[in-house]
Amino acid sequence: GAVVSQHPSRVICKSGTSVKIECRSLDFQATTMFWYRQFPKQSLMLMATSNEGSKATYEQGVEKDKFLINHASLTLSTLTVTSAHPEDSSFYICSASEEGGGAFFGQGTRLTVV
Amino acid sequence: AQKITQTQPGMFVQEKEAVTLDCTYDTSDQSYGLFWYKQPSSGEMIFLIYQGSYDEQNATEGRYSLNFQKARKSANLVISASQLGDSAMYFCAMREGWGGSNYKLTFGKGTLLTVNP
Repeated sequence: GAVVSQHPSRVICKSGTSVKIECRSLDFQATTMFWYRQFPKQSLMLMATSNEGSKATYEQGVEKDKFLINHASLTLSTLTVTSAHPEDSSFYICSASEEGGGAFFGQGTRLTVV
Repeated sequence: AQKITQTQPGMFVQEKEAVTLDCTYDTSDQSYGLFWYKQPSSGEMIFLIYQGSYDEQNATEGRYSLNFQKARKSANLVISASQLGDSAMYFCAMREGWGGSNYKLTFGKGTLLTVNP
């Protein structure tokens, strides 16, 4: 299958700071990328859909000003958690899809806000 | 109403035996796709198997097979000859609609599989 790379895999940051997570499709062009959040022992919940060259579509209840998404190229989408607080600590994982292809996931990022 | 239901929070199986993980779904779309992913403790989501709504044959990938019963809206995962490395969380997911690159998935709550030696 296609390869999606997510970076960093783990990050610890201080409360009030911002953290950027990158999601790259390494061997295909991803017209659409998705960002999910997963709390411990729970399922993946879709946060937003990122389309190259246009604004992201956020799911109900997700603060767009807190979770900034940028999809500036066909191979890169970024999620920035702004003014992070301990309740933002979670596992964030992206997936990327290509035209006619499947959905491929990155390795995930474990964010801890202290 | 939940779109993907996995009724087994946890399952245990002896090594080398087969195990079935249940998944039922709810959709009014005629075109949809069903996925199974494995998530080990490291967190990565490993794609296992896919079944399209129009596929007449049950999907198989090595030791994984998908028991697709469309009328019952079920898509159970069967793992044959379980191995210790199969111990992980397993998620069933659905994509509604068809075409394009919109692989927005809805996930079930998952089943934690433990393989005993």
